[in-house]
Amino acid sequence: AQSVTQLGSHVSVSEGALVLLRCNYSSSVPPYLFWYVQYPNQGLQLLLKYTSAATLVKGINGFEAEFKKSETSFHLTKPSAHMSDAAEYFCAVSASNAGNMLTFGGGTRLMVKP
Amino acid sequence: EPEVTQTPSHQVTQMGQEVILRCVPISNHLYFYWYRQILGQKVEFLVSFYNNEISEKSEIFDDQFSVERPDGSNFTLKIRSTKLEDSAMYFCASRVGAARTDTQYFGPGTRLTVL
Repeated sequence: AQSVTQLGSHVSVSEGALVLLRCNYSSSVPPYLFWYVQYPNQGLQLLLKYTSAATLVKGINGFEAEFKKSETSFHLTKPSAHMSDAAEYFCAVSASNAGNMLTFGGGTRLMVKP
Repeated sequence: EPEVTQTPSHQVTQMGQEVILRCVPISNHLYFYWYRQILGQKVEFLVSFYNNEISEKSEIFDDQFSVERPDGSNFTLKIRSTKLEDSAMYFCASRVGAARTDTQYFGPGTRLTVL
């Protein structure tokens, strides 16, 4: 079975500051990990995914995440926050069963202060 | 760019009524999913569907729920007799292939309110 924990349901940063959103996983098989973003009144949009090809994964909108097996982590970072980054961010792990469904973390709401 | 669409965006219903939520997955995708998100809670998997049958379902997906692909484009979720606790945002997703690494593309969701 797989699970994901996101530390911090709310994170607030100033515009231009570093964004760090934390995700830890538990998986009995090699994990495949995803970060999705949800803007207000919209669906979930893929930011990036880890597929074992490279431990540092670059995504859209300047975000990246690093897979660290020793720490069972897949934290999302962005060097400089923009106001438009304010949204909810979800980390998810793909199951190894026939349906390959996603198991999501609880989400982190990112607020960006001017 | 192709996208998953869902209708309606909002649905209000009385407890005990049947509702059908509709989704049009991306046209060349073969795997379809329903998830839900109760307000303030995690996004939860309900069911996956491939080759006209359910491939996995969660404990939430009991006999009150059913899914169907009635034609080549639509994918529906039916709740036979809604309960107050069914109030949630329901997301449809689709995926092109069978690899665990394939991206699931999500629709904008249907907000279901059961009164």
